[in-house]
Amino acid sequence: QVQLQEAGPGLVKPSETLSLTCNVSGDSISSYYWSWIRQPPGKGLEWIGYIHYSGTTNYNPSLKSRATISVDTSKNQASLKVTSVTAADTAVYYCARNGDRFDYWGQGTLVIVSS
Amino acid sequence: DIQMTQSPSSLSASVGDRLTITCQASQDIDNCLNWYQQKPGKAPKLLIYDASNLETGVPSRFSGSGSGTDFTFTISSLQPEDFATYYCQQYDYVPRTFGGGTKVEIK
Repeated sequence: QVQLQEAGPGLVKPSETLSLTCNVSGDSISSYYWSWIRQPPGKGLEWIGYIHYSGTTNYNPSLKSRATISVDTSKNQASLKVTSVTAADTAVYYCARNGDRFDYWGQGTLVIVSS
Repeated sequence: DIQMTQSPSSLSASVGDRLTITCQASQDIDNCLNWYQQKPGKAPKLLIYDASNLETGVPSRFSGSGSGTDFTFTISSLQPEDFATYYCQQYDYVPRTFGGGTKVEIK
């Protein structure tokens, strides 16, 4: 059974870098695209971007080049970094399988941006 | 970006009701549309992909239709576990975009 688990700090200071990992079990990270999606408290869903293990990436321009997604095939893990965070980046961050239809999701991790 | 307009944004319904949600894309997305269900504190769950295909394990009371710019999501007979928020999502273009959501509450 495919399982995704996000991990990372729950609190990040303004102007710093948010860093999260997504550990994948039950599947190979080399088999699919992997996406990051976020949801501010009480609001809707925003796609951040996706990556294929080959290195192909695509990002939402709304993040103004602050987001970087990478994969570590040896750890079967995807990662997300968002630089220069502000309060507007406070959200639950999800990783999901695929770049088109998101069929498996992690449980999500809440990241609060605050000093 | 492709704008996805969902309506209504919320509705109240009773168990056994037939429920329909619409999603309109700002331009033609063929059949590149998915529907998700999200319950409070949980990740979204894929219900319908490619506009009308039922994801494995999803009850047949859920269905979807449409192509181009106009799409419909239907629950034929609302069950207690169906009270949740539903989102449409297009994948014909990058960035992938979601509708604003429809919150289904108990009448």
